[in-house]
Amino acid sequence: AQKITQTQPGMFVQEKEAVTLDCTYDTSDQSYGLFWYKQPSSGEMIFLIYQGSYDEQNATEGRYSLNFQKARKSANLVISASQLGDSAMYFCAMRVRTGNQFYFGTGTSLTVIP
Amino acid sequence: ETGVTQTPRHLVMGMTNKKSLKCEQHLGHNAMYWYKQSAKKPLELMFVYNFKEQTENNSVPSRFSPECPNSSHLFLHLHTLQPEDSALYLCASSQEPVNYNEQFFGPGTRLTVL
Repeated sequence: AQKITQTQPGMFVQEKEAVTLDCTYDTSDQSYGLFWYKQPSSGEMIFLIYQGSYDEQNATEGRYSLNFQKARKSANLVISASQLGDSAMYFCAMRVRTGNQFYFGTGTSLTVIP
Repeated sequence: ETGVTQTPRHLVMGMTNKKSLKCEQHLGHNAMYWYKQSAKKPLELMFVYNFKEQTENNSVPSRFSPECPNSSHLFLHLHTLQPEDSALYLCASSQEPVNYNEQFFGPGTRLTVL
């Protein structure tokens, strides 16, 4: 069975500081992809970053980077230089090779403090 | 512009009403999804359509009835809903079978059942 766990219901970070949002996953598949999405209060889910299970380098997209530790089955999102607009819910998700179903965590609510 | 639109954005209905949610994707994708998002719970996948054919139905009650007339449009027909069906309903699309493409989400329909 596939499972995504996000243990931080809420996080606070000072503006311009970096913050790490935790995500662990469980799967017996060897081939999978990991995703992070941002959901502002408007409700839309915005794709942020992707990491493949066979990618040797950690993914980066602008201020977002994914700290991928395969042996520990963790895929933490690091946001550098936080901005007020980063305040939102953040969801970690996984997809395995078989089927096109995505598995989502319960999310982390991030609040950036001025 | 996310490329995935949903109407209506908000819907309030009684338990005896019949209503429909509409999703349209302008991205040329061939797979579409319905998710239910309730507070403090992971996104729940409801239905998946690949090339207009339903490939997933995750034990969704029959009071939810999907329809996919073509690869760009997806509907969710609602009838005799319960108050616990109140949630944010998200539509998403992706291109299959390219491995690990992210899903693109619409803004969601916030449904309240009285």
